[in-house]
Amino acid sequence: DVKVTQSSRYLVKRTGEKVFLECVQDMDHENMFWYRQDPGLGLRLIYFSYDVKMKEKGDIPEGYSVSREKKERFSLILESASTNQTSMYLCASSPPPGSNQPQHFGDGTRLSIL
Amino acid sequence: DAKTTQPPSMDCAEGRAANLPCNHSTISGNEYVYWYRQIHSQGPQYIIHGLKNNETNEMASLIITEDRKSSTLILPHATLRDTAVYYCIVSIYNQGGKLIFGQGTELSVKP
Repeated sequence: DVKVTQSSRYLVKRTGEKVFLECVQDMDHENMFWYRQDPGLGLRLIYFSYDVKMKEKGDIPEGYSVSREKKERFSLILESASTNQTSMYLCASSPPPGSNQPQHFGDGTRLSIL
Repeated sequence: DAKTTQPPSMDCAEGRAANLPCNHSTISGNEYVYWYRQIHSQGPQYIIHGLKNNETNEMASLIITEDRKSSTLILPHATLRDTAVYYCIVSIYNQGGKLIFGQGTELSVKP
């Protein structure tokens, strides 16, 4: 089975802190994604990556950056955390788009910014 | 972007089949229909996907109409553990596999 592991299930940080969310997948997938999920807004794509050192902005990249130094690891960075970034963050991975194989998700990190 | 329409909620008796409908009338010919579910406090779980033909796996069956404008996810013998929000998604694969999640259907399986 595909395994997508997010480093923390729950995280509490303070306004202005630099926050790192880590995600690791064990299926040698090329594509990795970061979403956030908020009540009434559904899942929204923040960033995605096709390959190592490659990244593309999603729908809501403001306030975030990403890093993909190794194929299996995709990190989401909140440069200066703000209270409106309190959310559930979900990482996913998949083979290349042309394969039409599904994305698999981790269990999420519930981040609270105080 | 192709959009999907699902009923906001449904109930199902334990042990009975749960039939979850989805409308995707603007789907393009090369777009797949994916189904995911999300149990409270967990990440979305992949269930099944299809293009034109009906599909079945160990979790569910997917019935796609001939005109591809709608589909139905069938859980043949629903259990309490199937209580979740179910999402029907059309894959926009030419945008890097980006998935657009709607509001989904909240399925409650009752004893």
